[in-house]
This record gives sequence, structure tokens and C-alpha cells, in this order.
Amino acid sequence: GQNIDQPTEMTATEGAIVQINCTYQTSGFNGLFWYQQHAGEAPTFLSYNVLDGLEEKGRFSSFLSRSKGYSYLLLKELQMKDSASYLCAVRDEDYKLSFGAGTTVTVRA
Amino acid sequence: IAGITQAPTSQILAAGRRMTLRCTQDMRHNAMYWYRQDLGLGLRLIHYSNTAGTTGKGEVPDGYSVSRANTDDFPLTLASAVPSQTSVYFCASSDSTEGKQYFGPGTRLTVL
Repeated sequence: GQNIDQPTEMTATEGAIVQINCTYQTSGFNGLFWYQQHAGEAPTFLSYNVLDGLEEKGRFSSFLSRSKGYSYLLLKELQMKDSASYLCAVRDEDYKLSFGAGTTVTVRA
Repeated sequence: IAGITQAPTSQILAAGRRMTLRCTQDMRHNAMYWYRQDLGLGLRLIHYSNTAGTTGKGEVPDGYSVSRANTDDFPLTLASAVPSQTSVYFCASSDSTEGKQYFGPGTRLTVL
């Protein structure tokens, strides 16, 4: 099974940078995903890492260290619309995802 | 292209009643999934199907059943609903070669 931990809440100011950490203990690893979920809506895909290192996509970047069981999602130049929950998910060899409980990010003006 | 649709959007159900949540995708994805999302617990996998005609149990399968008669449809049935099944249910699909899952809009179910 998978044990996935991420902080419950984070608050940051508009224009700032926030880093959301995710640690995992897994019986099988086949990639790590980050999803964004606005209140009352479905999760939407943000990023995917299967190899160690940093993946950059616009204002969002995701990092993975498989040896440490660690990932982070970096949100730069925060905007009010970035207020949402961010879900870390680990994929196993059967392509099933196990999700963390999510980190609620609040962006303040 | 609609992607993934779910029905109903929301439902209030008496305990003991049978209920089927519908999920349809038009992306020809081979894999489909059902999750429930509860406050503080995140998304938990109920059942999944890697291809039409096959299904598997996820983390919390008890009280739920699924079928996958064709590629597009993946209904979730609660045979006899209980209050602990009050939750938001999300259906998702993926192309196994890509792996990224696409989620439907969700069904909010309340069992009284």
C-alpha cells in the first residue's frame, strides 16, 4: 500500500512563492502526480514526475526524489485563482493512484 | 467532446435503498476508476477497471459493486445504502499508456 503525507493547509500572499511538500512510502512506484482541485470541482492534472529532478510548466514546477520518497510542487507568482487544494498522488505498477489528503492553499491579497 | 459525464449531480437517498451512479466517457480510454472523497481523507479508490470486461477492488470496495460492459460506461452501484456512504463520488478515466487520469464533475450523495 501507499502512505502519502502532505501539509493540511498553507497560506501565502499574492505574487509570492509557495512550496507544497509530499512524502510517500510505497510498496511499488510508477510515477507521482500533482492535481489541483478548486472547491466544489473535480481534480485537474497539473504535473507528472517519474524520474528524479525538476519538471517546469509555466508558473508551476514539480520535483521528485525517488530515493527519498519526496516530491514538492512549487507555485510561483501566486494569483488569487491559485487558491485551491493540491493533491499529491502516487501511481503503482498497476496504474492505480493513491492520493494524499490534499493541501489547501489560500492566497491573500 | 464532453470528456467524462456523471449522473446524477447530487442525490439524497434513504438508507437501505439501492442506487446506481452513472459514469460515461467519450475519450475511448481503456481504464476507468471510481473514487470517494471525504473531508480530511482525500480521494480513496473504490473500484477500477483496466479494460472493458474486467474490474478490480480498490482501497474501500465494501458496499459497492461495478460493471464494465463496454469501453464508455462504468456504473457504480450501492446495493443497500448506509449513512457512511455519504460522500462525493468521482469517476475518472485514463489511457494506460499516458497514465494521467481525467475526472468527471462528481456526484454528491447524501444517505439519510
